[in-house]
Amino acid sequence: GESVGLHLPTLSVQEGDNSIINCAYSNSASDYFIWYKQESGKGPQFIIDIRSNMDKRQGQRVTVLLNKTVKHLSLQIAATQPGDSAVYFCAEIGSGGGADGLTFGKGTHLIIQP
Amino acid sequence: NAGVTQTPKFQVLKTGQSMTLQCAQDMNHEYMSWYRQDPGMGLRLIHYSVGAGITDQGEVPNGYNVSRSTTEDFPLRLLSAAPSQTSVYFCASSYSLRGPYGYTFGSGTRLTVV
Repeated sequence: GESVGLHLPTLSVQEGDNSIINCAYSNSASDYFIWYKQESGKGPQFIIDIRSNMDKRQGQRVTVLLNKTVKHLSLQIAATQPGDSAVYFCAEIGSGGGADGLTFGKGTHLIIQP
Repeated sequence: NAGVTQTPKFQVLKTGQSMTLQCAQDMNHEYMSWYRQDPGMGLRLIHYSVGAGITDQGEVPNGYNVSRSTTEDFPLRLLSAAPSQTSVYFCASSYSLRGPYGYTFGSGTRLTVV
């Protein structure tokens, strides 16, 4: 079936470095993508979204890149801080039929090393 | 504070018992949805609603019922609890299916069925 997934379950980076978290999706009809951050014991927190008519979108210290040709999404976090430690999920919605809600990947655990 | 409020935060049920998980939002969002999150996995859609009086099934609807009598509230009912329903449940709301600003999630209800 169609799914959204992440390449690595754990990513360890040095404090101050840039982090890149990747996501592959298989539904070519997906037209809206969201990155979420989830800290232990909390609900997912919206980071940034992007629509399929865009290739790049920037927020505060974060950038999302969308490559529709290879169906790949990435989240870049600049100057990673200890507070960035969390699990990061990509999620997508397709423009086709089926259940109308987000399809989540399994998540990448970002670990910040001092 | 504006947001999505879920109650209770924790619940233990015996197999066969029924209960209702409450979800309320004060942002006048039309779209609301319920997800479950199992260990090491992303969230999966249970049921969703695009407005008061309108509900539909998601990816994993079996064993759950929903109703949407008001814009603010979207309760999730477990009809006859089973150990397989042990999970963390999240309610989310949004202006529309495709955002903007993604979906706002509640802090979750941790349910254990024994």
